Amino acid sequence: AQTVTQSQPEMSVQEAETVTLSCTYDTSESDYYLFWYKQPPSRQMILVIRQEAYKQQNATENRFSVNFQKAAKSFSLKISDSQLGDAAMYFCAYRRGSNYQLIWGAGTKLIIKP
Amino acid sequence: DGGITQSPKYLFRKEGQNVTLSCEQNLNHDAMYWYRQDPGQGLRLIYYSQIVNDFQKGDIAEGYSVSREKKESFPLTVTSAQKNPTAFYLCASSKAGELFFGEGSRLTVL
Repeated sequence: AQTVTQSQPEMSVQEAETVTLSCTYDTSESDYYLFWYKQPPSRQMILVIRQEAYKQQNATENRFSVNFQKAAKSFSLKISDSQLGDAAMYFCAYRRGSNYQLIWGAGTKLIIKP
Repeated sequence: DGGITQSPKYLFRKEGQNVTLSCEQNLNHDAMYWYRQDPGQGLRLIYYSQIVNDFQKGDIAEGYSVSREKKESFPLTVTSAQKNPTAFYLCASSKAGELFFGEGSRLTVL
């Protein structure tokens, strides 16, 4: 069965610095997608970034980028120039290519220190 | 604006009562989902529907029921059979595999 593990329950970073959130997953599939979602205190889940497993190039979205290591089954999220508005729970998720059901990690709480 | 609307945002229920959480979307998405979120855990899938008049159980369907009579609507009923219903409930719809979420409903059983 596929699993997603986020080993950091909480992380903190100084404003304007860079932070990396870890995510590992377990699967025997070759076709899949990986996601990072952000859940701010308002509780609405927002997609931050997605990565297709068949793409070797790491996805980037402005200050957010991933380090996708397929062989190691690792999918970390790097947030550059951290801002106060980045404070939130961050969830890593996995989806099989042929199946719309997401499997979620337990989340990492990111604290931004002013 | 297009989006997903969940109501109520907060709900209190006495033990033994059924309660229905509303989820409406105007994104014209075929697929809709209900997730449960508990502290320290990832989201867990309760039910999902890929098309009108059809739905499937997720990982934790016991004690819950749904209907999908209209494309726009996917209400979730938390029945008295659900042993630990106090939680945050998130509704989502999807297109091309990307999920769009509502703001959630917090249910507290007194």
